[in-house]
Amino acid sequence: KQEVTQIPAALSVPEGENLVLNCSFTDSAIYNLQWFRQDPGKGLTSLLLIQSSQREQTSGRLNASLDKSSGRSTLYIAASQPGDSATYLCAVPYNTDKLIFGTGTRLQVFP
Amino acid sequence: GAVVSQHPSWVICKSGTSVKIECRSLDFQATTMFWYRQFPKQSLMLMATSNEGSKATYEQGVEKDKFLINHASLTLSTLTVTSAHPEDSSFYICSALTVTTEAFFGQGTRLTVV
Repeated sequence: KQEVTQIPAALSVPEGENLVLNCSFTDSAIYNLQWFRQDPGKGLTSLLLIQSSQREQTSGRLNASLDKSSGRSTLYIAASQPGDSATYLCAVPYNTDKLIFGTGTRLQVFP
Repeated sequence: GAVVSQHPSWVICKSGTSVKIECRSLDFQATTMFWYRQFPKQSLMLMATSNEGSKATYEQGVEKDKFLINHASLTLSTLTVTSAHPEDSSFYICSALTVTTEAFFGQGTRLTVV
């Protein structure tokens, strides 16, 4: 059974810092991994999708890497801003495209 | 990215009434949509998979007669909470898959049953 874990559970940093959020999964037989952010009381916003054949994806200040063999993905946020404050979720598909979500990292960036 | 619109964003209803939530993929067709439920400070819990033109597949423990799902077209899925009770109060979110299997989510619906 696939299990997805995220570390740390919460993070509070001053703006400007470079951040690393970690996601680990127990079954490496995935065909993609997706990172989302969720603002309080809102739906999920897709940030990055990494296909299993890719090692990383970049979008602006965000960079996500994927190491299937070790069951890990990392989301790197450069030069963090208060607007980055949100909960970040990673997710992998299983059993006909259902998504299993990680436990989430609650990020607070203060001015 | 693709856009998924969910409506309403919040609803308050009386106990015993039914509430319908709509999920639309605005700029792509989605043969598969998903419905989730989320409790405060918890991650999303998958309720059911909605397939266009066929019956929804419910996760274990989810009452299919209480949470009616209809996926009548490639751009619309609806979730109806029937005979709602206060314990059904929650945040409901839908998602739709693109042909590249990327998931996009609606804005969510906050349901409060009084």
